[in-house]
Amino acid sequence: DAKTTQPNSMESNEEEPVHLPCNHSTISGTDYIHWYRQLPSQGPEYVIHGLTSNVNNRMASLAIAEDRKSSTLILHRATLRDAAVYYCILRLQMNRDDKIIFGKGTRLHILP
Amino acid sequence: AAGVIQSPRHLIKEKRETATLKCYPIPRHDTVYWYQQGPGQDPQFLISFYEKMQSDKGSIPDRFSAQQFSDYHSELNMSSLELGDSALYFCASSTYGTYYGYTFGSGTRLTVV
Repeated sequence: DAKTTQPNSMESNEEEPVHLPCNHSTISGTDYIHWYRQLPSQGPEYVIHGLTSNVNNRMASLAIAEDRKSSTLILHRATLRDAAVYYCILRLQMNRDDKIIFGKGTRLHILP
Repeated sequence: AAGVIQSPRHLIKEKRETATLKCYPIPRHDTVYWYQQGPGQDPQFLISFYEKMQSDKGSIPDRFSAQQFSDYHSELNMSSLELGDSALYFCASSTYGTYYGYTFGSGTRLTVV
C-alpha cells in the first residue's frame, strides 16, 4: 500500500498561514490525496481531496506537486480552532475495498 | 445538515460484559465504517458495510461483530469485554463509489472497568 509521511508536529501563530507537508513518493496514478483532521475529543473531519490539480474549498487549499510525490495542505489564516491532528491519506480510485486508513498525522499547535 | 449519529456517547462496562454501539448514517449514505481509537492512538479501521453486506474487515477481534440493517443503521456488538477494549469508537458513513469524504460521528467512549 502506498504510504504517506508527515511531520509529527508543527506550530504556527494565530492568523498566519500554515503549510502542512505530506510526502507520498510511492503514490500510484489512481490514488487520490485526501486530508482529514481530528480536533480534540471529536471524530475525524474531512478537509479536502485532490488528484492532480490544486484544489480550494472553504476550509483549505491543497497544493499537489507536479510529480504527485508530495502535497501541501494550506490553511490560509489559522485560528485557535484549527489546532488538531491533520492526516494525509491516499485512497484508491473505484476500489471495492476502499477505506480510509489513518497513519501518523501532524499535530498542529496554534499559538495565540 | 444531518450528521452521523452515534449512541450512546459514553458507556461504562465491566470486564466480560457485552456492549452494543449504534450508528445512524447520513440519509442516503449506503456505506458505514467502524473505527477504534485507543488512548493516544490513531483511528484503526475495524469493519465496513455496503448495502447491508460486509464489504471489508480490518483488525476487528473475533469477540466483536457488526451488522447493517435495512434502514442502513449499523450496530457494533462487543462481547467478553477486556480492559484493552476501552477506546473511542467512531462510525463514519459515505456513498460508495464517490470520492468525497467520509462523515464521522462524534464517537462512543467505551470504558471497561
